Amino acid sequence: DIQMTQSPSSLSASVGDRVTITCRASQGISNYLAWYQQKPGKVPKLLIYAASTLQSGVPSRFSGSGSGTDFTLTISSLQPEDVATYYCQKYNSVPYSFGQGTKLEIK
Amino acid sequence: EVQLVESGGGLVKPGGSLRLSCAASGFTFSSYSMNWVRQAPGKGLEWVSSISSSSSYIYYADSVKGRFTISRDNAKNSLYLQMNSLRAEDTAVYYCASHVAQGLWGRGTLVTVSS
Repeated sequence: DIQMTQSPSSLSASVGDRVTITCRASQGISNYLAWYQQKPGKVPKLLIYAASTLQSGVPSRFSGSGSGTDFTLTISSLQPEDVATYYCQKYNSVPYSFGQGTKLEIK
Repeated sequence: EVQLVESGGGLVKPGGSLRLSCAASGFTFSSYSMNWVRQAPGKGLEWVSSISSSSSYIYYADSVKGRFTISRDNAKNSLYLQMNSLRAEDTAVYYCASHVAQGLWGRGTLVTVSS
């Protein structure tokens, strides 16, 4: 099975900072990669699918890039409401594995 | 309103069974593949099972294969997960979710397996 590895596992940044989270697949998955945001006690929210397509209603400070095995989620200017855990998920073939998550906090 | 609503969670003893349901509304349920995803307390997300729009293709995570059965009734706009031989490690919030690109998730239902 293809493994999904996120880095870092946790991250602390200041408001206004540019933040980048990385997701690496152990084998190529083309662009079948989604990013989710999960705030404490809440349901995961789709941010990006097809590696770089912004879900409707998601602020434009979020962006995704990559193809094959290496992907990034970027927040261009961190806001207080972005405190959450972020997950990547592959969906090219089963199992539709998630990364282990990246917990983002405000410094 | 476009939504997914899970039900059927609860407390069950190890070795027991439970059937989860997910009611869909506000979209053409029969056109979309559907998934179950779970999250153990304080842990990350784990994909559990998927079913294609016409039930032709069904897939399971290795951790539940042979114990869980996914099904759907397009006439009733409903998705199901029959869970047998439950173990303590199956304790989690179970989410019903649409195809990834649609991005629709239910609020989840808690399953607790404990004696």
